[in-house]
Amino acid sequence: DTEVTQTPKHLVMGMTNKKSLKCEQHMGHRAMYWYKQKAKKPPELMFVYSYEKLSINESVPSRFSPECPNSSLLNLHLHALQPEDSALYLCASSLQGFSGRETEAFFGQGTRLTVV
Amino acid sequence: AQSVAQPEDQVNVAEGNPLTVKCTYSVSGNPYLFWYVQYPNRGLQFLLKYITGDNLVKGSYGFEAEFNKSQTSFHLKKPSALVSDSALYFCAVRPRNSGGYQKVTFGTGTKLQVIP
Repeated sequence: DTEVTQTPKHLVMGMTNKKSLKCEQHMGHRAMYWYKQKAKKPPELMFVYSYEKLSINESVPSRFSPECPNSSLLNLHLHALQPEDSALYLCASSLQGFSGRETEAFFGQGTRLTVV
Repeated sequence: AQSVAQPEDQVNVAEGNPLTVKCTYSVSGNPYLFWYVQYPNRGLQFLLKYITGDNLVKGSYGFEAEFNKSQTSFHLKKPSALVSDSALYFCAVRPRNSGGYQKVTFGTGTKLQVIP
């Protein structure tokens, strides 16, 4: 299984709603990532979890709250979002590379989020 | 700080002709370099990577890239373009000592249009 699965594929939410994005992988990867991507732009790193611990938070607003319940799952909790938060949210995972063992990141198909 | 430049927003090539998508990078020390492809409303798919060794790297779908240390470039190439290669291509770089997980920097992307 070389897939990263994201649900839902599409999400429309109001500015007062609370919703969650989910991501799952069964490749034994111990690094998991959330990216935000605007149309025709490169992905922007939001969060990195390494061995289920938050390793990087790229100054993301607190209305985005990540959670890593176990080594296979990654959630992104959303609350009080703004219309400018509308974007494609990508989850990715990679093997925790040490001593030169480097692998590429595997990306999910993304969740297309629209905030109204 | 690391950076990646993809100087062309769009590359147009006739089907059957060779294609080149350019990438230059700036990073301390020796880099890890990656190419990803993104089809509309999809996540990123890994194409190829340079870790060490042979400067010519072969990847998926007939793509290859050449690592040129003196020119700090990692251009993506394919001998004969297919219409199905039309997509958005991202070059990415990360330094070798970034702690195992992939804190990569993506280029701005190049849209490849293969004309039938």
